[in-house]
Amino acid sequence: IAGITQAPTSQILAAGRRMTLRCTQDMRHNAMYWYRQDLGLGLRLIHYSNTAGTTGKGEVPDGYSVSRANTDDFPLTLASAVPSQTSVYFCASSDSDATDTQYFGPGTRLTVL
Amino acid sequence: GQNIDQPTEMTATEGAIVQINCTYQTSGFNGLFWYQQHAGEAPTFLSYNVLDGLEEKGRFSSFLSRSKGYSYLLLKELQMKDSASYLCAACDGSYQLTFGKGTKLSVIP
Repeated sequence: IAGITQAPTSQILAAGRRMTLRCTQDMRHNAMYWYRQDLGLGLRLIHYSNTAGTTGKGEVPDGYSVSRANTDDFPLTLASAVPSQTSVYFCASSDSDATDTQYFGPGTRLTVL
Repeated sequence: GQNIDQPTEMTATEGAIVQINCTYQTSGFNGLFWYQQHAGEAPTFLSYNVLDGLEEKGRFSSFLSRSKGYSYLLLKELQMKDSASYLCAACDGSYQLTFGKGTKLSVIP
């Protein structure tokens, strides 16, 4: 069982380019989350999904979009990347909602130049 | 908005006990989590408290006081491998998790 996987592991991207970060879980969890982690700021929620077909905005959603077509996949898209989106991105999942333990993927280190 | 405060850094000696404090202010409350994160890795779950009191799990214990908006993580018999960041996170009334900035613990011989 892989748990939760993310791709790519790292990426360097030119400003203005479109980028999709992939996240897949095999635990049949209903809820999934995207966070960014920046030095000195901690983990901040970007978007979340409580079940397939629904999504919601977190603390820092601007410049990002998500979709949840099925239970397993929760891609995060940067439509037009900017340098301030340079960060480490973590995907996580939990059984039903945020009162359940969240399991994190290994992260994607994104650099926007 | 939500506010989670915890110390930025702490240093403790191998074999000792260390307490990492966390205070929180949230709109509604549905529990307090502690996660451990080693450098360059993903956070991993340590504990969850929703009722007042102490939860013990091996060398790690977590305490919650809902009336004071306060929690602590207690690590006993410190080992070098406990050097990591410890993240406090509160689940608010809308069932969203807000993380503190993390406490970087350094365990020295």
